[in-house]
Amino acid sequence: KAGVTQTPRYLIKTRGQQVTLSCSPISGHRSVSWYQQTPGQGLQFLFEYFSETQRNKGNFPGRFSGRQFSNSRSEMNVSTLELGDSALYLCASSPRTSGANNEQFFGPGTRLTVL
Amino acid sequence: DAKTTQPNSMESNEEEPVHLPCNHSTISGTDYIHWYRQLPSQGPEYVIHGLTSNVNNRMASLAIAEDRKSSTLILHRATLRDAAVYYCILIARGATNKLIFGTGTLLAVQP
Repeated sequence: KAGVTQTPRYLIKTRGQQVTLSCSPISGHRSVSWYQQTPGQGLQFLFEYFSETQRNKGNFPGRFSGRQFSNSRSEMNVSTLELGDSALYLCASSPRTSGANNEQFFGPGTRLTVL
Repeated sequence: DAKTTQPNSMESNEEEPVHLPCNHSTISGTDYIHWYRQLPSQGPEYVIHGLTSNVNNRMASLAIAEDRKSSTLILHRATLRDAAVYYCILIARGATNKLIFGTGTLLAVQP
């Protein structure tokens, strides 16, 4: 089975622009979660989607949004980019939405640099 | 969410066993203990999880204290490829897939 894929792998944007990142989960996985990783804050949860519905959201401003399509692929969008949005954005997929007795599979991430 | 405490860093020699500790004194009876690791320049990778009993898989073993207030991830023979940040995470039964990562333990493996 192919793993979780994220596109693009690297992205450079300028302040004020917006960006859309894409995640294709493992075939058959219906849950997709997004995380932001920065040197200062570490790995932080952004949101989780399951069957096209947002199930959980982290503590991020409304500039961060996401969606999931019927084929389970997910996108996240960041509008009005700020320098502090420079980070590695990671996507994880899972066959179930119950996190406790479950494992998640992470993609390689998208490295976003905001100039 | 219950909190976990891990040492910031540990060192091991190649081909020797490694015991990575995690304290979770406020764990509730329905919290599962998960371990993930992140190798340099990669996304996190699931390692193992358990509830009460010790668990083994092809990557590692998880030893859970009888009172469940602590656990230990055991790598039986460390290799250079095991150099990574290891995260111990608690997930409540019925919770969603939200993972709360702490700072983890940076494991260095010396040849």
